[in-house]
Amino acid sequence: GAVVSQHPSWVICKSGTSVKIECRSLDFQATTMFWYRQFPKQSLMLMATSNEGSKATYEQGVEKDKFLINHASLTLSTLTVTSAHPEDSSFYICSAVRDRESWTNEKLFFGSGTQLSVL
Amino acid sequence: SQQGEEDPQALSIQEGENATMNCSYKTSINNLQWYRQNSGRGLVHLILIRSNEREKHSGRLRVTLDTSKKSSSLLITASRAADTASYFCATCSVDRDDKIIFGKGTRLHILP
Repeated sequence: GAVVSQHPSWVICKSGTSVKIECRSLDFQATTMFWYRQFPKQSLMLMATSNEGSKATYEQGVEKDKFLINHASLTLSTLTVTSAHPEDSSFYICSAVRDRESWTNEKLFFGSGTQLSVL
Repeated sequence: SQQGEEDPQALSIQEGENATMNCSYKTSINNLQWYRQNSGRGLVHLILIRSNEREKHSGRLRVTLDTSKKSSSLLITASRAADTASYFCATCSVDRDDKIIFGKGTRLHILP
């Protein structure tokens, strides 16, 4: 099956620094990637939908200046948490899909997630 | 906001028993999927059921879908300790631009 690689898997940083998380589709071209956030023992909350070559679409309540998303190629999307603060500590997980046809009819492929801890 | 609601939120059963988890949703869907997540890990896809299907099997898993009640159930038969995990339903919502929205999840604990 398709493989999605997410890196890093765990990052600890000081408050005020920026953290970049990468999501790569290893064996297929992903026109769309979804970014989710998950707090402990809670569900996945969709943050934004990233489309290759265009601006990401953010969900209501998600600050686009805080969570910068770049989808510069068909195999890579990045999420940058800018000026991270302790309340940004969370598990971030991406999902890559070939196209709208595939995600509405097939399963999603997820990265392994990134645990961000901001001190 | 998440549209899926799983119940129960937490479930503990003895190994060998069957575990049933339910999911309700609010909008029209293309499909409904069930995922499993071990603590601190990514999600593993279990099964996808389309809106025109009523029941689907995969190994020890059985999923039902009732679009009139906007609900689905996941049954794990003959549970094993390794089934301990969180289980989430996810809907591909026609009414929400085909976004994949996750429910709150059920934390399943299999007792040895």
